[in-house]
Amino acid sequence: AQSVTQPDIHITVSEGASLELRCNYSYGATPYLFWYVQSPGQGLQLLLKYFSGDTLVQGIKGFEAEFKRSQSSFNLRKPSVHWSDAAEYFCAGDDYNQGGKLIFGQGTELSVKP
Amino acid sequence: ETGVTQSPTHLIKTRGQQVTLRCSSQSGHNTVSWYQQALGQGPQFIFQYYREEENGRGNFPPRFSGLQFPNYSSELNVNALELDDSALYLCASGRQGGETQYFGPGTRLLVL
Repeated sequence: AQSVTQPDIHITVSEGASLELRCNYSYGATPYLFWYVQSPGQGLQLLLKYFSGDTLVQGIKGFEAEFKRSQSSFNLRKPSVHWSDAAEYFCAGDDYNQGGKLIFGQGTELSVKP
Repeated sequence: ETGVTQSPTHLIKTRGQQVTLRCSSQSGHNTVSWYQQALGQGPQFIFQYYREEENGRGNFPPRFSGLQFPNYSSELNVNALELDDSALYLCASGRQGGETQYFGPGTRLLVL
């Protein structure tokens, strides 16, 4: 069955430190991959997406993600975290044959220490 | 260009009642998908509508139903509410054949 896994439920980093959030996927073929961010009580905002081509994708708010087929991973990174980055982060996959029926990971809650 | 909007923002119902949630798609989009997000969980796909017909469904019972209107707005109806239906319900719109879903702010439903 298709799945997306985020191994880390909660991560705490210091402001200014680098960040990496992990995401692994299990699909028959390489899916479209997305990272969304959700602030408390809010909807989901798209950070970045990977469809094909360059395996390093740039997103909004200084985030980037790297697709690694050999590891079935799509990890999100940011070189220097800001206090405003504290939120819930979701990785999601979409089988291109399904078109818009996203499968989400459980989410990783990011806390930022001053 | 307006984004995806949902109404109401919050709703309280009692077990056994019926509820209707509404979504207005982003301009230029022709598909709408609904997701249920329980507390502490990732969103789960309920169903998608395209050309006013259901176009795929997740693992949800028939008491979850929907409508899409000619202006691409949509409703999610849930009958015979259960306590476990308490969740944030998210609507997302996109273009058929496109790859990206854009989400609304959600409706938080509490079933007592």
